[in-house]
Parts: sequence; C-alpha cells; structure tokens
Amino acid sequence: AQSVTQLDSQVPVFEEAPVELRCNYSSSVSVYLFWYVQYPNQGLQLLLKYLSGSTLVKGINGFEAEFNKSQTSFHLRKPSVHISDTAEYFCALIKAAGNKLTFGGGTRVLVKP
Amino acid sequence: EPEVTQTPSHQVTQMGQEVILRCVPISNHLYFYWYRQILGQKVEFLVSFYNNEISEKSEIFDDQFSVERPDGSNFTLKIRSTKLEDSAMYFCASSDDRVQETQYFGPGTRLLVL
Repeated sequence: AQSVTQLDSQVPVFEEAPVELRCNYSSSVSVYLFWYVQYPNQGLQLLLKYLSGSTLVKGINGFEAEFNKSQTSFHLRKPSVHISDTAEYFCALIKAAGNKLTFGGGTRVLVKP
Repeated sequence: EPEVTQTPSHQVTQMGQEVILRCVPISNHLYFYWYRQILGQKVEFLVSFYNNEISEKSEIFDDQFSVERPDGSNFTLKIRSTKLEDSAMYFCASSDDRVQETQYFGPGTRLLVL
C-alpha cells in the first residue's frame, strides 16, 4: 500500500519570506507525485506534478518541488510568499498504472503581513 | 479554461434519506472520480469510473453508494440511505489519461447529515 505523510499540519510564515512544505511518501512501486492547493471555499487546484525526468519541478504561482527518490520525499518550496498564498496544500501520489490519488493530511499555510 | 463543476455546493439531509451529488466533468475527459474529505481528515478516494463502469472502488464505497453517468455530461454520486458519518466534503474529479494526466477537481459539495 502507498501512503503520504505531510510533516507539518500548519506553517505560519511572514509575507516575502521563503516557505518549505515537507512531504514524504511510502510505496513499493513506482509512483507519480503531485501537489495540490485548496484556497478557502474552493476546490483542489494542481500546483505541480512529477512524472519522470528532472527531479526539480516548477509549477504555478512560483512554486517548485524536488523529487528525492532516496529520501522518498517531494518537498514544496516558494522563495517569497504573498498573502494570497494562504491556503491548504496537499501532497498526493498515484502509483504507476493506478488511477486513484492517495493524499497526505494537508498543510495549512498562513501568510502574515 | 474548462473546469469541473459540482452541484449543490451545500446539502443538508436527514439520516436515512437518499442524496444525489452532481458533477459536470471537463467535456473531453474520459475518467471520472469521487473523493471525500471528512472534516479534519485526509482526502479519501471513493471510486473511479471509465467507459460506463466502475474501474476501481475503495472499501468505503459499499452498497449504499452508486455512481452513474446518466447522459453525456453529468456524473452523479448517490448515497441511498445516508448516515451521520457520511457528512463530508465530496469532490468530483476528471482526467483525460488514465495515469499520467492530472485529475482536475471540482469545488466540492459539503454534505451534512443530521
């Protein structure tokens, strides 16, 4: 079975400061990895995904993530956050040849002025 | 940009009643999904649907649940006899490739069972 662990349930951060959201996964088979964002009262929006190739993946809104197979991690980073980045962020995976997403518990990011 | 839509946004029902949650996937997508998120818990997979049949379902998706694509645009989730523990946010998603392509999510329906 696959699992996803987001190590921080909440991350407060000041505007224009960097942020890193940690995600570790467990799987005995190959997986694809995703980060989704949920703004207040909205659905889940894809930020970025790792399927193969370069381990550094760039997404929307200035976010990037790095896939580290040896550490089974897929941490999300942004060098300078805005107030509008206040949201909940979900790390997720799909196993290769599978079709269901397995989600982590989410990390709430609160950007303070 | 095309998006997945869901109706209603909120639904309140009495225990034992039937509810139908509706979704309109992105028009050229072939794979459809339902997920749910109980308050304070992880987003959980319920079911996937392709070519007019269920392709995978979780252990949560018991006989009380059913899905249907009644026409060329809608995808529904029916709960036959709701329980208190069915209270959750239900998300519909769709994708146009079985594995590699992104699953696009709707805004969700918040279901409250009293």
